[in-house]
Amino acid sequence: GENVEQHPSTLSVQEGDSAVIKCTYSDSASNYFPWYKQELGKRPQLIIDIRSNVGEKKDQRIAVTLNKTAKHFSLHITETQPEDSAVYFCAASTGNQFYFGTGTSLTVIP
Amino acid sequence: GAVVSQHPSRVICKSGTSVKIECRSLDFQATTMFWYRQFPKQSLMLMATSNEGSKATYEQGVEKDKFLINHASLTLSTLTVTSAHPEDSSFYICSAWRGASPEQYFGPGTRLTVT
Repeated sequence: GENVEQHPSTLSVQEGDSAVIKCTYSDSASNYFPWYKQELGKRPQLIIDIRSNVGEKKDQRIAVTLNKTAKHFSLHITETQPEDSAVYFCAASTGNQFYFGTGTSLTVIP
Repeated sequence: GAVVSQHPSRVICKSGTSVKIECRSLDFQATTMFWYRQFPKQSLMLMATSNEGSKATYEQGVEKDKFLINHASLTLSTLTVTSAHPEDSSFYICSAWRGASPEQYFGPGTRLTVT
């Protein structure tokens, strides 16, 4: 089955700086890669996603890049704000089933 | 659109009792529903995949007789934790997939505490 690894597990940045979270996957058949933000005790919220036929996608301060050859994808958050503090999960999907990364706890220091 | 509800949001039960958690897709029909378990500061662990009208597919290590899943309609799936023990205390989250696109839509989660 698919194996998704996520790094780092914790990340602290100063407000205004950028944050980068990286994930790797093992199954070359995976074709959909969403990123979720989860606040304590709440449901994961989709913040951005990318499909395997695209190398990069951007939505305001958030961007995701995908390298299919190397089987890795990254989340980039620019101009970070304190409200960006949360746990972020990547996932890889081959169809209707998701495989989640282990999560990154992001803290943005005001 | 694509709203998923979960009930109850919190439940406290005594050891040995059973607890039922409902997951509903409110404005769409879900081809497939998923049940996840999440321990504090950990990732979501898939427990089982359920398709309407058929038996759920459980992940390795998940006891099917302990975690009973019923997917009676395209908008409702239930997870029953039978003979709950303190180690079953966790955050349980469902998600729904409607088949037309790859996105999954998550419920708000249920915090189960077994005393």
